[in-house]
Parts: sequence; C-alpha cells; structure tokens
Amino acid sequence: GQSLEQPSEVTAVEGAIVQINCTYQTSGFYGLSWYQQHDGGAPTFLSYNALDGLEETGRFSSFLSRSDSYGYLLLQELQMKDSASYFCAGYYGGATNKLIFGTGTLLAVQP
Amino acid sequence: ETGVTQTPRHLVMGMTNKKSLKCEQHLGHNAMYWYKQSAKKPLELMFVYSLEERVENNSVPSRFSPECPNSSHLFLHLHTLQPEDSALYLCASSQVSSGSTTQYFGPGTRLLVL
Repeated sequence: GQSLEQPSEVTAVEGAIVQINCTYQTSGFYGLSWYQQHDGGAPTFLSYNALDGLEETGRFSSFLSRSDSYGYLLLQELQMKDSASYFCAGYYGGATNKLIFGTGTLLAVQP
Repeated sequence: ETGVTQTPRHLVMGMTNKKSLKCEQHLGHNAMYWYKQSAKKPLELMFVYSLEERVENNSVPSRFSPECPNSSHLFLHLHTLQPEDSALYLCASSQVSSGSTTQYFGPGTRLLVL
C-alpha cells in the first residue's frame, strides 16, 4: 500500500528557515497536501500541490517533484507559534478525497 | 457554530462499557471520515462515508461501529474496547467532486480505555 515518510523531529530557532521533507510512493499518486497540528489540536490544512513546483502562502511554501517522488514544506521567519507537528498527505484519487497521511514531523522552535 | 465539532472531547471507559462519539460538520460537505491517531503513528483512516453511504472500512475491528444518519452527522459506537484502542479519534469532512481534496478536522475525542 501507499506510505509517506517524513523525519520524526526537526529543531530550529526563531527567525530561521526550516524545510520538512516527505517522500511518497508514486503508484496512483495525484497530489500532496500539508497539514499542521498543534499539541492537543485538530490538524489544519496548509497547502496542496498537484503540479511540480513551488506554491507560496505567506511564510509557508510547499514544493513537489513528481520525478523524485518527493515534496517539502518550507517555513520561513520561524515563530514560536510554529512549534507543532506537520503531516504530509498523499491524494491517490478516488471519489472520496481519501488521504494517506505521513508519519509526521514534530517541529520545535527555540528562542 | 462553524466547522467540525466533536463530543465528548475526553472519554474514559472500561472494557465492558458502551459509548458513542459524535461528530457534526457545519460546512455543507458530502463526505465524512473517522481517523485514529495514536502516539508516534500516522493518522489511520478508519471509515469513509460519502453521500451518507459507507464506502470504506479499513479492516477496523467490529467493536467499532460507525453510523452516518445524514450528511452532517457521524457517530462512532464503541463496545468492549481494549486498552490498545486508547487514542485520539478525529473526525473530518470534505466536499468530494468539488476540485478540492481538503479535509477539515474536528478537535478530536481523546479516549482512554481502562
């Protein structure tokens, strides 16, 4: 079946830039989403890439390379409130918007 | 009230109890999902309902029984659970066939089985 792999933890300092990588299996792959989840909270949607390239939304950007079966989330000008878990999620088609979630990356932003 | 709501937020139950988790979406969506989130594991999709019909059941034990009476409400009925079922149970909704695959999540029910 499909699976998506991410680093388990990343640590960075305020104001820095951090990149969270995600590798996925290509069979049936349509696109890659990113979700943020604060401790004790609900996952919230950040971005979706259906095409190769960079999508920018404020301080957050997401990138997809289909040829490399790889994507990343780029967080710039890090703030303490960005400390959270970040999940990539692959959309593999079908009529139900079913997503396969990655293993998740816990980002710790330090002062 | 907006978005996706879940009740209760916390639940402690014994292995012989029967309880139900409730999810309500106020977004006019036509698909709803139940996920299980355990520590250090990916979100695991349990059930998918599209247009009020169950279209997916990912080999979930029969002690979990979903119910979708209408497009806005989703229940997860629990009975004779095991301690390993302790987890955060998340509900989500989305609008299929809209061009968007975005799912909107509720805050979850944190379940502890003793």
